[in-house]
Amino acid sequence: AQKVTQAQTEISVVEKEDVTLDCVYETRDTTYYLFWYKQPPSGELVFLIRRNSFDEQNEISGRYSWNFQKSTSSFNFTITASQVVDSAVYFCALSGGYGNKLVFGAGTILRVKS
Amino acid sequence: EAQVTQNPRYLITVTGKKLTVTCSQNMNHEYMSWYRQDPGLGLRQIYYSMNVEVTDKGDVPEGYKVSRKEKRNFPLILESPSPNQTSLYFCASSSGQAYNEQFFGPGTRLTVL
Repeated sequence: AQKVTQAQTEISVVEKEDVTLDCVYETRDTTYYLFWYKQPPSGELVFLIRRNSFDEQNEISGRYSWNFQKSTSSFNFTITASQVVDSAVYFCALSGGYGNKLVFGAGTILRVKS
Repeated sequence: EAQVTQNPRYLITVTGKKLTVTCSQNMNHEYMSWYRQDPGLGLRQIYYSMNVEVTDKGDVPEGYKVSRKEKRNFPLILESPSPNQTSLYFCASSSGQAYNEQFFGPGTRLTVL
């Protein structure tokens, strides 16, 4: 069975601090896909990134970066120089099994204080 | 504009009163799905549909029904809602491959009293 664990329930930082959100996954599939979604206070789900299991290159997009390590089954997300607008719930998710189901972690609430 | 729409966005109802939450997408996607979001549990899949007239259970299907008579629509039906179905519901669609991004609707916040 597939499983995603986001062990950090809630993180509070002060603006301009760097913060890393952890994501550990379990799957028996050899081909799978990892995602991060952001859920701001308004409630919608915003797609941030997708990674496939064959591509372990790290990715950077502005202040966001992602570190994918198959050896530790982790797909961590770092926000550099955090801003108040980064305050949201962040979900890590996994797909690859039958039915195109996304298996979500419990989410990490990020609070960035000014 | 490519989008997934859900209606209603907010609903307060009473136990046992049948309700339907509609979902529609304009991207010609084959795959559609319903999730519920609960604190500490993330999002869990309720039902999904790989195409018209093809539906299957997700992880938490009890108490829900779906239908897929048209490609664009995928309504979620609660025949006899109970308080434990109070939740935030999301509809999603994608082109059907596991690597494709799923597009989510804005969510429906349901309260069952």
